[in-house]
Amino acid sequence: QSVLTQPPSVSAAPGQKVTISCSGSTSDIGNNYVSWYQQLPGTAPRLLIYENTNRPSGIPDRFSGSKSGTSATLGITGLQTGDEADYYCGAWSSGLNAVYVFGGGTKVTVL
Amino acid sequence: EVQLVESGGGLEQPGRSLRLSCTASGFTFGDYGMSWVRLAPGKGLEWIGFIRTKNYGGTAQYAASVKGRFTISREDSKSIAYLQMNSLRTEDTAVYYCAGSRSGWGFDAFYIWGQGTMVTVSS
Repeated sequence: QSVLTQPPSVSAAPGQKVTISCSGSTSDIGNNYVSWYQQLPGTAPRLLIYENTNRPSGIPDRFSGSKSGTSATLGITGLQTGDEADYYCGAWSSGLNAVYVFGGGTKVTVL
Repeated sequence: EVQLVESGGGLEQPGRSLRLSCTASGFTFGDYGMSWVRLAPGKGLEWIGFIRTKNYGGTAQYAASVKGRFTISREDSKSIAYLQMNSLRTEDTAVYYCAGSRSGWGFDAFYIWGQGTMVTVSS
């Protein structure tokens, strides 16, 4: 059972838009930045979004992030077959001993 | 080229130990906080732990699932981070990734990832 809650899967046709939700608590998302990671089949994860909304260099602007309260959302527009992957949200959880928590992951399928 | 390369994975029996290494290149390793993350078969990403930079004392934090069994250390002169895994359990079977954060203190995203090394715990 992951600390952050994501839908197991989302799907859409090429060119369409998908959104992935990530729900947490005041301990994690509510008081810390959210990051998003993409893991293509058989490859290592890569950072897509950091500090809720920012994209590292090289990440296309088709990917966007937002946060409100204890929830965050990843949006992917202009869906491509190459976007088929697992997507994870993550955040630090504040407390006496800080830990990092991931969502359970969302499989994006391009129909 | 900015790169992290893990090594040391393999097959080990329950109760035994294994040490993974993460060798960095292309960036100033000593300025980066380093984490270990694993992906077990059929599961999602799980954060294992993080080690701060020497500027912040080089201390480490761990997930509850590995605390007391796993230890993260770093050797900045060699640009290597280590994950010492003791008292291995079958549920530790996973691909292990190291990841680098720009903040030496923590509370930062994982900007750089290695390609992963497979650890299988089985009798």
